[in-house]
Amino acid sequence: GAVVSQHPSWVICKSGTSVKIECRSLDFQATTMFWYRQFPKQSLMLMATSNEGSKATYEQGVEKDKFLINHASLTLSTLTVTSAHPEDSSFYICSAKLQLNTEAFFGQGTRLTVV
Amino acid sequence: SQELEQSPQSLIVQEGKNLTINCTSSKTLYGLYWYKQKYGEGLIFLMMLQKGGEEKSHEKITAKLDEKKQQSSLHITASQPSHAGIYLCGADNYGQNFVFGPGTRLSVLP
Repeated sequence: GAVVSQHPSWVICKSGTSVKIECRSLDFQATTMFWYRQFPKQSLMLMATSNEGSKATYEQGVEKDKFLINHASLTLSTLTVTSAHPEDSSFYICSAKLQLNTEAFFGQGTRLTVV
Repeated sequence: SQELEQSPQSLIVQEGKNLTINCTSSKTLYGLYWYKQKYGEGLIFLMMLQKGGEEKSHEKITAKLDEKKQQSSLHITASQPSHAGIYLCGADNYGQNFVFGPGTRLSVLP
């Protein structure tokens, strides 16, 4: 199957700093990318959907000014957690799909710890 | 928006036993996906179902989608400790987004 690379796989940052997470589709052009967050013992929760070249659509309750998503090309989307706080510590995972009615491929996730 | 429910929430079985996990959608499913995950790790794609009545199998795992395309089941035959993990069903919301059920945590006792 297609490969989605997410980087970094884990990151520790100080409270108040910003962290950028990259999601790349390595062997296909992803028209749509999704960002999820997962807290312990909970399912993946969709944060936002981004289409290349347009603004991301955020789910209710997700602060767009805090979680900046940029989908500048068909192979790269970035999630920037701005002014991170300990409550932002979580597992973040991205997925990408080529088009409607195709499988979504997932990155391996990024474990963010804010201290 | 589309919502998925899963049952049971958690499951503990003895090795060698069969088990079934269910996924129910509030809307007709356009595409239903099953994934396995260990918390804090990536997702392992298991199967994708699209047609009403479709059934797919891979090794000891069988997934079915009902004719109305609102319910799916995942059946594991002769479970093994390697089957332990979190099973998530996911749905393609007509290309708008991709949502997941709450997950079923499976433990297999040796």
